[in-house]
Amino acid sequence: EDQVTQSPEALRLQEGESSSLNCSYTVSGLRGLFWYRQDPGKGPEFLFTLYSAGEEKEKERLKATLTKKESFLHITAPKPEDSATYLCAVQEGDSSYKLIFGSGTRLLVRP
Amino acid sequence: DAGVIQSPRHEVTEMGQEVTLRCKPISGHNSLFWYRQTMMRGLELLIYFNNNVPIDDSGMPEDRFSAKMPNASFSTLKIQPSEPRDSAVYFCASRGLAGNNEQFFGPGTRLTVL
Repeated sequence: EDQVTQSPEALRLQEGESSSLNCSYTVSGLRGLFWYRQDPGKGPEFLFTLYSAGEEKEKERLKATLTKKESFLHITAPKPEDSATYLCAVQEGDSSYKLIFGSGTRLLVRP
Repeated sequence: DAGVIQSPRHEVTEMGQEVTLRCKPISGHNSLFWYRQTMMRGLELLIYFNNNVPIDDSGMPEDRFSAKMPNASFSTLKIQPSEPRDSAVYFCASRGLAGNNEQFFGPGTRLTVL
């Protein structure tokens, strides 16, 4: 069964304390891996798409990387405004549309 | 540019009542998705429309749920009759023609069925 597992479930960081969130997946052929940010009471906000192992993408303090089994979202020198739930989703090879979402990592950055 | 628009943002109803959720996708997008988010099950795809045609409704939990997309700028998700276990946040998302699968979500409707 296709699965997407995110860890940790929750993460507390001090402002400026860099860390990484993990998304491991088991799908029959990866067509794309997506990272979203979700603030309380809002819909998921698209961040990145990764397509192949070795690919990296960056946006401000965030960098997403991809291997054949997992993806990491690295957060460098986070600020309190980075506090949110980060969701990972995978699209398997034989689907043009279906995303399988993980349960998310709740990140809290304290000033 | 306006993003995906959903209404109402909050809905409280009693068991047995009909509930209609509304969505306006991003202009020019040709794919529309309805999702449900709960603490227990996370984000789940309910139904997928492409060019206003339902392509995959395998995620619709029961016959009590129905969705329509009468034109490219409007979709509804209806629950009739509603039950307490339908309480969740319902999201609409849309996707453009670019060939990737970047889906853009609306703000959601928080449904509470008493």
